[in-house]
Amino acid sequence: EVQLVDSGGGLVKPGGSLTLSCAASGLTLTNAWMSWVRQAPGKGLEWVGRIKGKVDGEATHYAAAVRDRFTISRDESKNTLHLQMKSLKAEDTAVYYCATDLITIYEVHWGQGTLVTVSS
Amino acid sequence: DVVMTQSPLSLPVTLGQPASISCRSSQGLVHSDGNTYLNWFQQRPGQSPRRLIYKVSKRDSGVPDRFSGSGSGTDFTLKISRVEAEDVGVYYCMQGTHWPWTFGQGTKVEIK
Repeated sequence: EVQLVDSGGGLVKPGGSLTLSCAASGLTLTNAWMSWVRQAPGKGLEWVGRIKGKVDGEATHYAAAVRDRFTISRDESKNTLHLQMKSLKAEDTAVYYCATDLITIYEVHWGQGTLVTVSS
Repeated sequence: DVVMTQSPLSLPVTLGQPASISCRSSQGLVHSDGNTYLNWFQQRPGQSPRRLIYKVSKRDSGVPDRFSGSGSGTDFTLKISRVEAEDVGVYYCMQGTHWPWTFGQGTKVEIK
């Protein structure tokens, strides 16, 4: 059974940095295409970014709102996906979910989400 | 960016009755590989999202057959043939054809 566990959220000041993690079990992340999706309090879903698998060159794509501030990477040794966030703004406050490839023909798995609050 | 516009944003329905949600994209969603990457997701209160439909009309494993997706070009629809209590939640369309991927605003389905 595939399980994704999101962690690393918390309170951070504007301009600060934070790294979120998504630990996988039942799935090897090395060649998995993975996405991050966020949801501001009381708002809808917003796609954040996606990383292709290692065999596909690990290309990344990001939403305009986070491009140049957020970076998706993976740690093969820990089978964990990361979302490095810097220059955080109040509007980055949200629950962040990792998910397997959202357009795959196979089942999509989601983490439980981790809350990031950007506030002074 | 491709704008995904859903309607209605709120949908009160009677148990056992049908429901329909529209999703319109600001650009056509046919990918260069010939596929149309239009998904539908359900988010029940307090839960992570769940994908129901991919590539316009293909139901994910375990999704009840009362859910169906249709459409082409820029116009897409999610239909629930007979709404059940467990269908309460917010439904989102999402396009995965053009970068960046984008979601619709969400449609809240509630029981009358």
